[in-house]
Amino acid sequence: KNEVEQSPQNLTAQEGEFITINCSYSVGISALHWLQQHPGGGIVSLFMLSSGKKKHGRLIATINIQEKHSSLHITASHPRDSAVYICAVPQGGSEKLVFGKGTKLTVNP
Amino acid sequence: NAGVMQNPRHLVRRRGQEARLRCSPMKGHSHVYWYRQLPEEGLKFMVYLQKENIIDESGMPKERFSAEFPKEGPSILRIQQVVRGDSAAYFCASSSRTGRDSPLHFGNGTRLTVT
Repeated sequence: KNEVEQSPQNLTAQEGEFITINCSYSVGISALHWLQQHPGGGIVSLFMLSSGKKKHGRLIATINIQEKHSSLHITASHPRDSAVYICAVPQGGSEKLVFGKGTKLTVNP
Repeated sequence: NAGVMQNPRHLVRRRGQEARLRCSPMKGHSHVYWYRQLPEEGLKFMVYLQKENIIDESGMPKERFSAEFPKEGPSILRIQQVVRGDSAAYFCASSSRTGRDSPLHFGNGTRLTVT
């Protein structure tokens, strides 16, 4: 069974700061998902990655398959980045995703 | 190109009533997933469906819960005889191919409150 651990659980930053959120998992995977859940509750898929690094705007996701670890970085953070960021990985070879508990990010102006 | 549409956004039911949650996947998507988010908890997989087939329902409670994805129309998650513990946000996601290899597109969720 794949276990997913995220850190930190809560993160408060000042506008403009560089943010890093970490995700570790216990079993080898084909791909890892980063999701964003806004205060209104909607969920947006940010990245799906299986190796290396992906960038979209101010967001960067990296993954190290050997170390079973992924990071999500936000450069020049903004109050609108305030949300819960969730990491998810497949359970074994199935379609089931196992989710981390999320990291609640608050960016103050 | 509409995204994943879930309705209703909010649903209030009394104990013992039935709840029907609907999910229309993105156009061209034939894979649908349902997830539940209990208050103050993380998301949990419930069921994975393709058109007219339940592929994996291992995350769904054995009783009172059922799901379908008919050939025509939205996917339906049905909860019979609801109890207070069913109060949660239910999210649907769709993809164009298996989720392991394909980004997921989520709906805005249905927030079920059982009184």
